[in-house]
Amino acid sequence: AQKVTQAQTEISVVEKEDVTLDCVYETRDTTYYLFWYKQPPSGELVFLIRRNSFDEQNEISGRYSWNFQKSTSSFNFTITASQVVDSAVYFCALSEARARGGNTPLVFGKGTRLSVIA
Amino acid sequence: EAQVTQNPRYLITVTGKKLTVTCSQNMNHEYMSWYRQDPGLGLRQIYYSMNVEVTDKGDVPEGYKVSRKEKRNFPLILESPSPNQTSLYFCASRRTGLGELFFGEGSRLTVL
Repeated sequence: AQKVTQAQTEISVVEKEDVTLDCVYETRDTTYYLFWYKQPPSGELVFLIRRNSFDEQNEISGRYSWNFQKSTSSFNFTITASQVVDSAVYFCALSEARARGGNTPLVFGKGTRLSVIA
Repeated sequence: EAQVTQNPRYLITVTGKKLTVTCSQNMNHEYMSWYRQDPGLGLRQIYYSMNVEVTDKGDVPEGYKVSRKEKRNFPLILESPSPNQTSLYFCASRRTGLGELFFGEGSRLTVL
């Protein structure tokens, strides 16, 4: 069964610090997608990145970077030089390619609440 | 602008009073789904629809109904709401297959 674990429930950092959010996943499928979503205090879910299981290249987008390692089943998210606007709950999610009736739901971790203090 | 629109955004109701949360997407997506978000439990799938007239249960379907008469709309129906359905609800859509879900802004429902 698929599972996503975000062991860090809450993290507080001071502005301009770097912070890494951990995500460990479990799946029996060889083809799957991993995602990160951001949920700011306003409540909406904002898509950040998608990575498929065959692409282990790390990705950088501005201050955000993602490290995907299949050997450790991890897909960690680093924010460099954090800002107050980064304060949010961050969710890691997994979707397996092997569809149940065509449904490929996102299975979410419980989320990590990041507080960036000025 | 590509978006998923949910209404109402906030609702307080009483036990047993039927309600519908509407969801509409303008991206011509085949796949739509409903999730609920609860503290400590994260996001869980309620129902999904692969296309018009094709719907099926997710992980927590009890107490909910859905319909998909048109491609763009996927309403969530609570026939007889109970307090344990107090939650934050999200509608989402995407093209068929794998890929990221686009979420609505959420509907916060309180059942007294």
